[in-house]
Amino acid sequence: QSVLTQPPSASGTPGQRVTISCSGSSSSIGINYVYWYQQFPGTAPKLLIFNNDQRPSGVPDRFSGSKSGTSASLAISGLRSEDEADYYCAAWDDSLSGWVFGGGTKLTVL
Amino acid sequence: EVQLVDSGGGLVQPGGSLRLSCAASGFTLSTYTMSWVRQAPGKGLEWVSLLSGGGSTYYADSAKGRFTISRDNSRNTLYLQMNSLRVEDTALYYCALLGDTYGSDYWGQGTPVTVSS
Repeated sequence: QSVLTQPPSASGTPGQRVTISCSGSSSSIGINYVYWYQQFPGTAPKLLIFNNDQRPSGVPDRFSGSKSGTSASLAISGLRSEDEADYYCAAWDDSLSGWVFGGGTKLTVL
Repeated sequence: EVQLVDSGGGLVQPGGSLRLSCAASGFTLSTYTMSWVRQAPGKGLEWVSLLSGGGSTYYADSAKGRFTISRDNSRNTLYLQMNSLRVEDTALYYCALLGDTYGSDYWGQGTPVTVSS
């Protein structure tokens, strides 16, 4: 069982906006930055969002992140077929003195 | 160009040992806080261990007492010594830069570890 809680799956049609939630605790998301990763089968994860809501260069502005209290969200607007992947949230947990990941959300573009 | 190359994985019996390596190029490992992250077949990401630039180490509970993270600055290489391996340690192991507040994102290609009799 992961320390951060994500829905196992999400879906949408091309052009739609989808959101993926990530629930943590006061010792993780509540006081530390949230990071979001995208992973395609057979490849290493790629950073999508850092510091809760910042995009690395090269990440389309269709991807956005937000945080409120002990929860965070990743939003993908203008959904495309190439967005079909697994998405993970991550944060440092002060109580555990370690990084914690969500269990991952498999996004399907219908 | 920044590159991380993971190696050292393989098939090992329960109770055995392996040493994973992560050779870095294009940046100096010792100036970053680097982690090992693993992914069991068909499962999600799990953080294993971290070595800060200053030399502090942290371990997931699953790794404490069995795994040791270290670094050779002359070789610009990160290591993970894994002892007393268990079947549940079977996974693809990545070295990675996690949590960089400037948005840097470095991952190795992963090296597979299979623990089986």
